[in-house]
Amino acid sequence: DQQVKQNSPSLSVQEGRISILNCDYTNSMFDYFLWYKKYPAEGPTFLISISSIKDKNEDGRFTVFLNKSAKHLSLHIVPSQPGDSAVYFCAASGSGTSYGKLTFGQGTILTVHP
Amino acid sequence: DTGVSQDPRHKITKRGQNVTFRCDPISEHNRLYWYRQTLGQGPEFLTYFQNEAQLEKSRLLSDRFSAERPKGSFSTLEIQRTEQGDSAMYLCASTPMGKYTEAFFGQGTRLTVV
Repeated sequence: DQQVKQNSPSLSVQEGRISILNCDYTNSMFDYFLWYKKYPAEGPTFLISISSIKDKNEDGRFTVFLNKSAKHLSLHIVPSQPGDSAVYFCAASGSGTSYGKLTFGQGTILTVHP
Repeated sequence: DTGVSQDPRHKITKRGQNVTFRCDPISEHNRLYWYRQTLGQGPEFLTYFQNEAQLEKSRLLSDRFSAERPKGSFSTLEIQRTEQGDSAMYLCASTPMGKYTEAFFGQGTRLTVV
């Protein structure tokens, strides 16, 4: 059972425009949601997170939105840069004994064209 | 600090052979996680340690898999009697105390079973 889903395998965006990556989850026990970025031949790198008590978290060009009722989160990158081209993974974690154990989506390949 | 280090980076083995991977976490991190990633999928949780104690194992981890973290430092993941289905990228991550969702990943060990 895929508890975290990224339904778009790829996204192509022009430099300077907004990139919006989407993620859906099914497990209502998840309390923390994260985005990781992965370049080829490297491990995933933590990008930004949000807890279930918030609906928005911003860090520079990156903003994560959480809609708990819809079990949906999104990552906005504004403005997009060619260096943002990578695979983006959405991940979720529970709390208590599950805190830190990450469940990942399948990933979305973002390509930002100059 | 050079980050999370994994060795080897690549391993090709014949079906039925045993393999062992090593992970050296960031020194002050008390938690260490193992994940497995197959093509087109996100990382899947295998097991994790808090210091030297193995606190959880995924049902993905059959009895052919064993992990250790002696003295709470480096960790090893051993696969006995490898099968072709074990071919994957094995990722190690460590996290600092209290920030268990902000995992720092190594570059991974790519296992190919022929």
